[in-house]
Amino acid sequence: KAGVTQTPRYLIKTRGQQVTLSCSPISGHRSVSWYQQTPGQGLQFLFEYFSETQRNKGNFPGRFSGRQFSNSRSEMNVSTLELGDSALYLCASSLRTGTASYEQYFGPGTRLTVT
Amino acid sequence: AQSVTQPDIHITVSEGASLELRCNYSYGATPYLFWYVQSPGQGLQLLLKYFSGDTLVQGIKGFEAEFKRSQSSFNLRKPSVHWSDAAEYFCAVGAPGGGADGLTFGKGTHLIIQP
Repeated sequence: KAGVTQTPRYLIKTRGQQVTLSCSPISGHRSVSWYQQTPGQGLQFLFEYFSETQRNKGNFPGRFSGRQFSNSRSEMNVSTLELGDSALYLCASSLRTGTASYEQYFGPGTRLTVT
Repeated sequence: AQSVTQPDIHITVSEGASLELRCNYSYGATPYLFWYVQSPGQGLQLLLKYFSGDTLVQGIKGFEAEFKRSQSSFNLRKPSVHWSDAAEYFCAVGAPGGGADGLTFGKGTHLIIQP
């Protein structure tokens, strides 16, 4: 079974621009979560999507948004990029049944650099 | 809200020696507990999980962890490390019923293996 895939793997953007990252979950997984990883803050939960609906959201500004498609693929968008948005963005998928929802399968991440 | 502390930022261990990585959590009840490993340039991989029952849990790659309620700890152990174990290790705690947004990660412990 193929793992979680994320595209692109690396991205360089300029302050003020916007960016869209893509995530394809493991086949059969309908829950997709996004995390931001930085050296200072560590791993922080952004949001979770299930059945094309945002189910949970972390403590991030509205510039961070996402969506999920009917095939469970998900995208996240960051508008008006700031230098502090430079991070590794990780996508994780899971089954959303009982304790299995806690077993997150992570993709390799997208490394975003904002200059 | 739950929190996770990994007291050791870096740990250096000789190849073949035993390993113990510390994790302490703060949560009002018995949480769900996890250890993830992240190799350079990779996403996170679930090593093991604790939901309930036997407090000593076995994971992949020869790792085990023990849940100690009295100490609010969930330390990760391996009897003999291999050079390929060099990576970043994250302890995470989940609030039962909280789903994916209930996962809180520690800041990680960087494991260095000496030949």
